[in-house]
Amino acid sequence: ILNVEQSPQSLHVQEGDSTNFTCSFPSSNFYALHWYRWETAKSPEALFVMTLNGDEKKKGRISATLNTKEGYSYLYIKGSQPEDSATYLCAFLGSARQLTFGSGTQLTVLP
Amino acid sequence: NAGVTQTPKFQVLKTGQSMTLQCAQDMNHEYMSWYRQDPGMGLRLIHYSVGAGITDQGEVPNGYNVSRSTTEDFPLRLLSAAPSQTSVYFCASSADNYNEQFFGPGTRLTVL
Repeated sequence: ILNVEQSPQSLHVQEGDSTNFTCSFPSSNFYALHWYRWETAKSPEALFVMTLNGDEKKKGRISATLNTKEGYSYLYIKGSQPEDSATYLCAFLGSARQLTFGSGTQLTVLP
Repeated sequence: NAGVTQTPKFQVLKTGQSMTLQCAQDMNHEYMSWYRQDPGMGLRLIHYSVGAGITDQGEVPNGYNVSRSTTEDFPLRLLSAAPSQTSVYFCASSADNYNEQFFGPGTRLTVL
């Protein structure tokens, strides 16, 4: 069983704050790293799929970086808004060709 | 385009009963998978399929069966339900397992 760790487990920030959280994954046999956003009572939706060391992706106020050599990815949210409140999941794809998900970071943005 | 659909949305079973959770997608995706979501444990892969006629086990396959006779459908069978199978089940599809997964709305299953 692969170890995919996300930290922190939960996070409360004020509206307008910028924040970031971490996904750690095995640094060997890397194929891809996915980020998903999961709002309460909905299904996970993809944010980014990252495949290359040094990759940086951006979608609006959300961005992500990838370091495959040391086995981590950061997700950044600039100027958090209440609608950003959700659980953010990362998922590692290794040589077994199966996605292994972390347990998520639950973000609450307070107005 | 309905995307990924799952039925039923909710189900209550008694221990020992069997049932099938249905999953269908209309995006012509080759890759489909089933996950279960339990508190504090994220999504865990049960079974997956890389195309019609091909299935394989994920992290937690025991007590579940799958088949893939068409590209569109990927049903999950619980052979003899146990309380440990109480969970929320998500079906997902993608063009291949590198690409983003599209998730269905989930089935909340309770086994008494």
